[in-house]
Amino acid sequence: QKEVEQNSGPLSVPEGAIASLNCTYSDRGSQSFFWYRQYSGKSPELIMSIYSNGDKEDGRFTAQLNKASQYVSLLIRDSQPSDSATYLCAVNPSSGSARQLTFGSGTQLTVLP
Amino acid sequence: EPEVTQTPSHQVTQMGQEVILRCVPISNHLYFYWYRQILGQKVEFLVSFYNNEISEKSEIFDDQFSVERPDGSNFTLKIRSTKLEDSAMYFCASNPKGGTEAFFGQGTRLTVV
Repeated sequence: QKEVEQNSGPLSVPEGAIASLNCTYSDRGSQSFFWYRQYSGKSPELIMSIYSNGDKEDGRFTAQLNKASQYVSLLIRDSQPSDSATYLCAVNPSSGSARQLTFGSGTQLTVLP
Repeated sequence: EPEVTQTPSHQVTQMGQEVILRCVPISNHLYFYWYRQILGQKVEFLVSFYNNEISEKSEIFDDQFSVERPDGSNFTLKIRSTKLEDSAMYFCASNPKGGTEAFFGQGTRLTVV
């Protein structure tokens, strides 16, 4: 069974701080990794994708991937109250042509004003 | 910006009835997916569809479920003989190629009573 594990939280950070979200995965051959943001009652919204080891930055977001450790993380700099949401880590498996996503259970982030 | 659209946004049905959930994927995308999220739980993969046929399906996607692409734009999920435990948010997603970024529709909230 291919698993994606996240700390469920809740994680609370003050406004302006850095929020750090972590994810581990079991399928060593996984190739593609994604972070989605989900507001309560809404659909997952893609915020970052990462395909190779290292860091990838997009605005206030930085995704980090370490395939040897089977670990992917998301850093949110200068956190804002509007960042309060559940962050879902999603991984594509190593096999299959459609490469459907396997999701973690999500980390609930609250940014305190 | 192109987006995945789903209808209806909310569907209430009697137990034992059939429902059809509709999706219009992004026009140049080739891979289509249905996912399900029971309240408070993970987003779960149901089925992927490529080249007018099912590419992969999960254990959840049994004979109760079927998918169809009846024309060049719509992608539907049919659930026969609905059960109380089918109550969930159903998300349609699409991407241009397996393993790349997948974009989700806003979801259909199915309530079986």
